[in-house]
Amino acid sequence: RKEVEQDPGPFNVPEGATVAFNCTYSNSASQSFFWYRQDCRKEPKLLMSVYSSGNEDGRFTAQLNRASQYISLLIRDSKLSDSATYLCVVNNYGQNFVFGPGTRLSVLP
Amino acid sequence: EPEVTQTPSHQVTQMGQEVILRCVPISNHLYFYWYRQILGQKVEFLVSFYNNEISEKSEIFDDQFSVERPDGSNFTLKIRSTKLEDSAMYFCASSEAGGGANELFFGEGSRLTVL
Repeated sequence: RKEVEQDPGPFNVPEGATVAFNCTYSNSASQSFFWYRQDCRKEPKLLMSVYSSGNEDGRFTAQLNRASQYISLLIRDSKLSDSATYLCVVNNYGQNFVFGPGTRLSVLP
Repeated sequence: EPEVTQTPSHQVTQMGQEVILRCVPISNHLYFYWYRQILGQKVEFLVSFYNNEISEKSEIFDDQFSVERPDGSNFTLKIRSTKLEDSAMYFCASSEAGGGANELFFGEGSRLTVL
C-alpha cells in the first residue's frame, strides 16, 4: 500500500462550486498533516496545516480523521485561481515529509 | 519576502557527467532539503540536512548523490554520474526548525535533463 494516496482527478468544476478532495495515509504513527498547492511546473507551496480538530482558512476547510487515517480538503466558492494540483503531505517522523501524488483541479468559467 | 533561490533553472547534461545544483536557503532557516519530481509524478524526498550533516535520506539518495554546505549560504546537491532516470525537477527547501509541524519553503526548482 502506498504511503499517501489521493483521488487522482482531474476535477473539473464550474466557478462557485464546492469541491472536496480526499487523502489516506498508511502509517498510523504519522504526526503532522498538510495540504500544499502546486501550480503547473512550479514549486509546492503550503496551503494549510491540518489539525486534529479540523481547521478553516477562508474558503478552505481541512479535516483529519486519525482513526480512519483520512484527510480531506473542502474548497467552497471555487475561483479560477484555485486551479492547481493539491498535494496531501504527511510527516511520519523527523524531517521526512511524504507527498501524495496530488489531485488536479480545474475551475472552469 | 525571503525566498529560497536555486540555480540553474535548467541544466542539460550528457549521461555520465557530474552535475551540481545550487540552492540558497532562507537565511535564518536551519533545516535544508532536496526533493525531486519526475515529470508527471509525485514529489519525492531525497535528503534533509541539519547542523552540517545529513539528518535523513531516502532510498533514492544513493552513493551517486551527495550534499554539501560549502559556505554560510549555499546548499548544493551533486550527482556524480548522471543517468537518464535522473531527469527530473529538483526542489530545494528549507524550514525554520525541525519537527514535522514546520512549513517547508521551496525554491522554484532546477530542471535537469539527462541525454
